[in-house]
Amino acid sequence: QVQLQQSGAELVRPGTSVKVSCKASGYAFTNYLIEWVKQRPGQGLEWIGVINPGSGGTNYNEKFKGKATLTADKSSSTAYMQLSSLTSDDSAVYFCARSGNWVDYWGQGTTLTVSS
Amino acid sequence: QIVLTQSPAIMSASLGERVTMTCTASSSVSSSYLHWYQQKPGSSPKLWIYSTSNLASGVPARFSGSGSGTSYSLTISSMEAEDAATYYCHQYHRSPPTFGGGTKLEIK
Repeated sequence: QVQLQQSGAELVRPGTSVKVSCKASGYAFTNYLIEWVKQRPGQGLEWIGVINPGSGGTNYNEKFKGKATLTADKSSSTAYMQLSSLTSDDSAVYFCARSGNWVDYWGQGTTLTVSS
Repeated sequence: QIVLTQSPAIMSASLGERVTMTCTASSSVSSSYLHWYQQKPGSSPKLWIYSTSNLASGVPARFSGSGSGTSYSLTISSMEAEDAATYYCHQYHRSPPTFGGGTKLEIK
């Protein structure tokens, strides 16, 4: 069955960077895109960007350009999102999700807390 | 970007009641690219309805979706306890993809 297993919760200092992973299983990793979505506590969903694991091509929400960097490792079927220059505004749950014609499977989410 | 406005933001329904929530887009969205997700507290969203009116696998037949252009809706024919959740509409017609603010459905 399709699974997206994300890395665990992170507590990081302001100004630092963090890298979240999303390991895919149960399907051909390069046949689908991986999307990343942000959700602040009690808030809605915000699209960060997408990566094509087959080609490495990416597309970002303008709002997250310079903040998020998406990569993928075909050998381990794992997608990554690096967030840089972290502030309290980056504290949120981050989801990876698989998409073809629509987003169909989601990871369990990674909680990021930015605090000194 | 296309802004999706969901209404109401919060609603409550009695068991057995018919429920309808709406999603209004700031510009026209192809019905093929308008989807709905269900999210319960502490869980990730689940695909619920894709391409306006197609139920995802495992979604009960009491759910339905309809709409076109800038106006879309999700309907539950008879509210059940397990339907209490937040529902988000989502468009992938034009980049960046956007989500509505959600409709939180509670049991009355």
